[in-house]
Amino acid sequence: QITLKESGPMLVKPTETLTLTCSFSGFSLSTSGVGVGWIRQTPGKALEWLAIFYWDNDKRLSPSLRSRLTITGDTSKNQVVLIMTNMDPVDTATYYCAKAQRLKGGSGARAYYFDYWGQGTQVTVSS
Amino acid sequence: QSVLTQPPSASGSPGQRVTISCSGSNSNMGSNFVNWYQQLPGTAPKLLIFNNDQRPSGVPDRFSGSKSGTSASLAVSGLQSADEADYLCAAWDDTLKCWVFGGGTKLTVL
Repeated sequence: QITLKESGPMLVKPTETLTLTCSFSGFSLSTSGVGVGWIRQTPGKALEWLAIFYWDNDKRLSPSLRSRLTITGDTSKNQVVLIMTNMDPVDTATYYCAKAQRLKGGSGARAYYFDYWGQGTQVTVSS
Repeated sequence: QSVLTQPPSASGSPGQRVTISCSGSNSNMGSNFVNWYQQLPGTAPKLLIFNNDQRPSGVPDRFSGSKSGTSASLAVSGLQSADEADYLCAAWDDTLKCWVFGGGTKLTVL
């Protein structure tokens, strides 16, 4: 059974740094064609992809947020950590981590899709 | 403003068939496969369709997907009250270099 769970602060102040941890089970991040990504959903329901960490230690960040994001993975702990700096009230959202799976025969980021999602963690940015 | 365009709402009576559309551009849906997610109220998105028309194990065959050019559709047949949810489409965008999503379609079972 594949499960993912996000953890981190529910409330951060403007300009602070947000650190979120995704703890997962039921799969290994060292398996070829697997990744763990972060996606957020604003109160208006819009989804926005943030970052992804791949099985081969490669990583991709959203171009629009690249300067503020860091993603790391720890295969031995089954965890992926997302760090977002300089938080702003517009960053208030539910943050999800999700397992990514590569299509058979596919290559590159375009070949992946998110097949299992965590329950999400609500993050509010307010002073 | 979402990159992929979906109608905000759709509805149907129990037992009916409804379709939900998703439109994009050459850089996303025109070049890459589309995935569909179901999001029940207060829960995380759940994968419903991947690679345009494939169902993960456990997803009823009442749900089907198709894609043509820069548009895709999700069909739900034999509509049930349990199908009331938001449905979102997603694809990789070659120009933006990121995954993009539709704004979601709220399906109401009358």
